[in-house]
Amino acid sequence: SQKIEQNSEALNIQEGKTATLTCNYTNYSPAYLQWYRQDPGRGPVFLLLIRENEKEKRKERLKVTFDTTLKQSLFHITASQPADSATYLCALDSGGTGSYQLTFGKGTKLSVIP
Amino acid sequence: ETGVTQSPTHLIKTRGQQVTLRCSSQSGHNTVSWYQQALGQGPQFIFQYYREEENGRGNFPPRFSGLQFPNYSSELNVNALELDDSALYLCASSRDRGRTGELFFGEGSRLTVL
Repeated sequence: SQKIEQNSEALNIQEGKTATLTCNYTNYSPAYLQWYRQDPGRGPVFLLLIRENEKEKRKERLKVTFDTTLKQSLFHITASQPADSATYLCALDSGGTGSYQLTFGKGTKLSVIP
Repeated sequence: ETGVTQSPTHLIKTRGQQVTLRCSSQSGHNTVSWYQQALGQGPQFIFQYYREEENGRGNFPPRFSGLQFPNYSSELNVNALELDDSALYLCASSRDRGRTGELFFGEGSRLTVL
C-alpha cells in the first residue's frame, strides 16, 4: 500500500544552522510533491511544490530536492531562525482520476533553539 | 492569510449527534477539499467538490457528506458522531480541482466528540 514517512517526529536545531527534513515514500508515482508549514492550532500553509521532472527548487532560505529514484525529498531551511519553529508536512498527489488529492505525512516538528 | 474562512472554530458534540461545518473559499477558486487531521497526524483527505459536484472521495464512510454552493462556499456534514471523529477539520480551496497543486487552507474547525 502507499506510504509516506517523514523521518523524524521532532528535530531540534541551533539558530543559524541548516535544518534538513526528509520525506520518503513507497508505492507512489507522484506527479509532484509539496511542503507545507503548520503552526499549532492553525491550518497548513503552502511553502513549495516540486514536480517529478525537477531536481531542486528554491525559495528564499528554503530548498527542496526530489529524487524519484530514491523516492525521497529533502527540505532544507538555511540560516534557521526561532520563527521557523513549526511542524513541516510533506504531501504527495495521489494521482486520482480527475481529483488532485494530497496524501500527507505525519509531519516533523522543528524547534530552532536561540 | 489565505482568504479561506471556516466556522465554527471550536465545537463540542456528544456521540450520536450531527454536525455541520462551513467553509468560504478564496475568491476565484472553484474547488473545495475537506481534510480531517487527528492529533499528531497529517491531514487525511475526506472529499473534494468541484463546481458543486463531488469529485473524489477518500476512505470515509457515507455519514460524512458535503455540499458546495454556487458561490463555491461549502459545508461538511457528519452524522451519527463517534468519539474517533474528534479532530481538526480543514477546508482547502484551489482552482480547477487542485490541478495546479497548491492548496489554500483555512484555520480549521476543532471538533470534540464526548
